[in-house]
Amino acid sequence: NAGVTQTPKFQVLKTGQSMTLQCAQDMNHNSMYWYRQDPGMGLRLIYYSASEGTTDKGEVPNGYNVSRLNKREFSLRLESAAPSQTSVYFCASIRTRTSPAKNYGYTFGSGTRLTVV
Amino acid sequence: SQQGEEDPQALSIQEGENATMNCSYKTSINNLQWYRQNSGRGLVHLILIRSNEREKHSGRLRVTLDTSKKSSSLLITASRAADTASYFCAHNTDKLIFGTGTRLQVFP
Repeated sequence: NAGVTQTPKFQVLKTGQSMTLQCAQDMNHNSMYWYRQDPGMGLRLIYYSASEGTTDKGEVPNGYNVSRLNKREFSLRLESAAPSQTSVYFCASIRTRTSPAKNYGYTFGSGTRLTVV
Repeated sequence: SQQGEEDPQALSIQEGENATMNCSYKTSINNLQWYRQNSGRGLVHLILIRSNEREKHSGRLRVTLDTSKKSSSLLITASRAADTASYFCAHNTDKLIFGTGTRLQVFP
C-alpha cells in the first residue's frame, strides 16, 4: 500500500543510548518532515527536508539529527537519548518541491512511540 | 512559538449534533489545513483552505478562514460516533505548524 512507513513502532531506550528512527515513502514525494507529539502540545516540527539533499531545522531540533538518504527515505537520529525525548514521533511527506504544502495536505506515518528511561 | 491554538480543548456532544472547533494562528499563511487523529494513530488530512478562500465544504465538513483575524473554524455537521477523534488545525508558511488540538467525543 502506498504511504509513509515508519519503523520501529515502539522503542524503549535507556538514557544516553542512541537510535535511528526510519521513515520511507513510496509516493515520489519531494518533501519530508519529522514531528514529535506530546500530550496537550499538538505536533512540533523537529526537522524537515524540502527536497532530496537538503535539510532544515524546525521548532525543536536540539538533540536530534537527520539524514535524507535518498528521495524515499528520511531518518531521525537521537545520539544520546534523554527522558525529555520521550514522545510519539511522526514522519510526514508531501509532493511539492517549492513552498511545501502550498496546495496539498501532508501524508503521515502511523508513528513511533519512544520511551526513554 | 509559532504554534497555533485551538478551542475548545475538549468537546462532548450527542450523535446528530453539530461540532464546531476554532483555531487561531500568528503569522501570514499560504493555506490552513485540518487533520483528524484517531487514538494511537497517525494524522489524516481532512481539508485545505487557501489564504484567498473564505469558506470550503467537503461532505459534512465546513471550514471558514478569516485572515484578518488569523482564525479558522471547522464545523462537522450531523456528527456520528465515528467522528470521535482529535482534530488539529495546521497553518502553512514554508512548513506546516500545528495547533494544540481539540478532542471531540461523540456519544451514540
